[in-house]
Amino acid sequence: GENVGLHLPTLSVQEGDNSIINCAYSNSASDYFIWYKQESGKGPQFIIDIRSNMDKRQGQRVTVLLNKTVKHLSLQIAATQPGDSAVYFCAEKGQGGKLIFGQGTELSVKP
Amino acid sequence: NAGVTQTPKFQVLKTGQSMTLQCAQDMNHNSMYWYRQDPGMGLRLIYYSASEGTTDKGEVPNGYNVSRLNKREFSLRLESAAPSQTSVYFCASSEWVGGERAFFGQGTRLTVV
Repeated sequence: GENVGLHLPTLSVQEGDNSIINCAYSNSASDYFIWYKQESGKGPQFIIDIRSNMDKRQGQRVTVLLNKTVKHLSLQIAATQPGDSAVYFCAEKGQGGKLIFGQGTELSVKP
Repeated sequence: NAGVTQTPKFQVLKTGQSMTLQCAQDMNHNSMYWYRQDPGMGLRLIYYSASEGTTDKGEVPNGYNVSRLNKREFSLRLESAAPSQTSVYFCASSEWVGGERAFFGQGTRLTVV
C-alpha cells in the first residue's frame, strides 16, 4: 500500500533572524543529547551535543539549551543564513545506551 | 578523508530478492551502525557493532542481517526484500559505543517493488 509519511514540523524564518528549534525528549534518565542537521539528499551532520550535567553549550552560531525539569531541548541558531535550511534532528541517549532520534523539524530560511 | 562511504547510492529490488548494502569508514572508529529513515520520521537503529567481531540488534532488526567484516567495514543484508523495507538506509560510525558524535554516510535509497 501507499506509504503516507508524517508531515514534519516546519519553522520559517527570515534571513538574519535567530532561529529556535525545540525538541521534547522522553526519558528523564537520558544523560546525553545531540543535534544533527540533514540537508536534502545527504546524511545527517553533527552540529552540537550536551551532557545532562550542563544546561547550556555554545558553538559557532549555535547554542543548545537543556531543561531537564520539563525534558526539553532547544537549538538556537544566530543570524540564520540560507545555508541553514535543512531538517534538524534532536536525539537522546536512551535506556539501551543508543541514540533515539526525534521526528525532525524543517527549517526554511527566507532571503 | 572520505569519512563514511556507502554503496550503492540507489537500488531498486523486486520483492523476495536479496542484496547487501556496503559501508566503510576510514576514521578508525570502533563502533558502527545501520539506521533506516522513513518519510517524515527520524532515524531508527537496525543493528550496530560496538567493536570488531561483535554485532547487536537495534530497534528494528527484523528482516535484516549484518556482518562486521573488519574494523573498517560493516555490511547490511536483506535476505528477502519486502516493500516495507523501502527506505533510506544510513551507515554511521563513532568513537563511542553510544554513538555520540557519529559520522553518517550519504545514504542508500532502496525501493522494493
